[in-house]
Amino acid sequence: KNEVEQSPQNLTAQEGEFITINCSYSVGISALHWLQQHPGGGIVSLFMLSSGKKKHGRLIATINIQEKHSSLHITASHPRDSAVYICALLEGGSRLTFGEGTQLTVNP
Amino acid sequence: DSGVTQTPKHLITATGQRVTLRCSPRSGDLSVYWYQQSLDQGLQFLIQYYNGEERAKGNILERFSAQQFPDLHSELNLSSLELGDSALYFCASAGTSTNNEQFFGPGTRLTVL
Repeated sequence: KNEVEQSPQNLTAQEGEFITINCSYSVGISALHWLQQHPGGGIVSLFMLSSGKKKHGRLIATINIQEKHSSLHITASHPRDSAVYICALLEGGSRLTFGEGTQLTVNP
Repeated sequence: DSGVTQTPKHLITATGQRVTLRCSPRSGDLSVYWYQQSLDQGLQFLIQYYNGEERAKGNILERFSAQQFPDLHSELNLSSLELGDSALYFCASAGTSTNNEQFFGPGTRLTVL
């Protein structure tokens, strides 16, 4: 079993829809990253969370440390949100362990 | 723009060759991390340097080595290249404490023919 599992693997939405991507993990962590990777390959750090909830624009990330679960929400989705979203665990303050990613496609 | 730079953007070489990938961290960041993203393995941690010293090692092959220089830039050396080494190589940098957020460079796409 992988240390980190993301769901769904693929998600197609219509513009304007509310989107949720889930991340479950099985190990102790010091923090969790949500990353965005566009088709060109570049990786952008969206959030780093160790507790609670963070919001940036239309993006909201939550984490429940006791349940070892995090969610990334996108409100009022837009075609430019189409990308791969990756959950990554920060273990021991150094290495990141990555989920397999969720491919999001938002259609106009 | 994350502030992390990587060169070159693309690299095409032949099996058996040696290449060097370069990373300059964000101003003030002391940690540099190297990651490999391949089609079959996904994203994997290779190695971390902190202020010139190796701090953590992941799934890095013996044919690969890295170092961080006094000006904090880092180089990843890949030798005796094999077809399976074709991948995107990312570096990321983080600040002075171990739990700081990591910021990724644009990556170097290595193709081994």
